[in-house]
Amino acid sequence: EDQVTQSPEALRLQEGESSSLNCSYTVSGLRGLFWYRQDPGKGPEFLFTLYSAGEEKEKERLKATLTKKESFLHITAPKPEDSATYLCAVYGQGAQKLVFGQGTRLTINP
Amino acid sequence: ETGVTQTPRHLVMGMTNKKSLKCEQHLGHNAMYWYKQSAKKPLELMFVYNFKEQTENNSVPSRFSPECPNSSHLFLHLHTLQPEDSALYLCASSQDSYSNQPQHFGDGTRLSIL
Repeated sequence: EDQVTQSPEALRLQEGESSSLNCSYTVSGLRGLFWYRQDPGKGPEFLFTLYSAGEEKEKERLKATLTKKESFLHITAPKPEDSATYLCAVYGQGAQKLVFGQGTRLTINP
Repeated sequence: ETGVTQTPRHLVMGMTNKKSLKCEQHLGHNAMYWYKQSAKKPLELMFVYNFKEQTENNSVPSRFSPECPNSSHLFLHLHTLQPEDSALYLCASSQDSYSNQPQHFGDGTRLSIL
């Protein structure tokens, strides 16, 4: 069964303090790993797709990386507007559906 | 309009009421999905439609009844719900349900069962 575990559950940082969020997964034949951002009262907003180990994607202050067992979302010099819940999901050959983690709630204090 | 639109944004209903949630996508996608999001739990996939055909029912109780009249519209009909059904219901769409293209979500309907 495909599984996704995100850590930490919550993270509080000061503005400008860089850090990383972790997404560990077990899946039979990874076909894609997805990162989403979700603001309160909104639906998840698509950020990145990673397809194979070693791949990296960047968008503004965010950088996503992928290994065979986990993905990291690195946040460099974050701003208060980066505060949100970040969701990780995997799509495997077996389940053929997105399996989500519980998310990491990120708070950036000014 | 662009993206995925869900209506209503908020719904309060009694356990004996019947109501429907609506989802419309303007992305030209062929697959649509219903998810349930409860506090402290991962998103739970409920139903999948691909080219208007239901391809997944994730053991959802029969008090939830989906309908997909075309690739752009998706409904979730609700009747005799339970208090534990209170949650955020999210609709999503993607190019199709068997490729690994990303899903795009609406902002959800916040459902409260009295």
